[in-house]
Amino acid sequence: EPEVTQTPSHQVTQMGQEVILRCVPISNHLYFYWYRQILGQKVEFLVSFYNNEISEKSEIFDDQFSVERPDGSNFTLKIRSTKLEDSAMYFCATNRIAGVYNEQFFGPGTRLTVL
Amino acid sequence: SQQGEEDPQALSIQEGENATMNCSYKTSINNLQWYRQNSGRGLVHLILIRSNEREKHSGRLRVTLDTSKKSSSLLITASRAADTASYFCATGTTDSWGKLQFGAGTQVVVTP
Repeated sequence: EPEVTQTPSHQVTQMGQEVILRCVPISNHLYFYWYRQILGQKVEFLVSFYNNEISEKSEIFDDQFSVERPDGSNFTLKIRSTKLEDSAMYFCATNRIAGVYNEQFFGPGTRLTVL
Repeated sequence: SQQGEEDPQALSIQEGENATMNCSYKTSINNLQWYRQNSGRGLVHLILIRSNEREKHSGRLRVTLDTSKKSSSLLITASRAADTASYFCATGTTDSWGKLQFGAGTQVVVTP
């Protein structure tokens, strides 16, 4: 069964450094999402992406964050200058059709630790 | 505002017993979904119920939705040790591109 994959599984970085988290969506999926989960807290929506554009973003997704699909397969989340509070699990999710009546398929997550 | 709040926060039961957890939400929704998360792992989709549905079954799972009360329940029957996980409800609305809003989750421990 096709799966969403994410790399790396764990990333440790120093505060102020840039990180890029990568996701490989299921091949025929067109809608992509990033969520994050701070330890012990709920999963929070960051951004949705379709047709090479951001469809929607949350308040968390400020100028330090960006997303792109550089090569038609990978879907990346970049944090330009990491802060301690960016430490969290980051989940990529994909969907074949946007929306309201469709489940999202989640990747296993990348644990980001900012020191 | 918080969307999708589960209760109880934690539930401890023995194998064979049923586990029931509830989810309440604040805004109008188009669908409500339940996900499972094993410790430190990704989210696994369990079941989706549309706003015009009242009850749905999938194997040992039964989900109800009461849009008048803005609440949903997830029942796991005849629980097994492998059901030990955190369970989250997530809501989807019409004014979003599939964005899901998650609750804080119910941590379920099933002891043999």
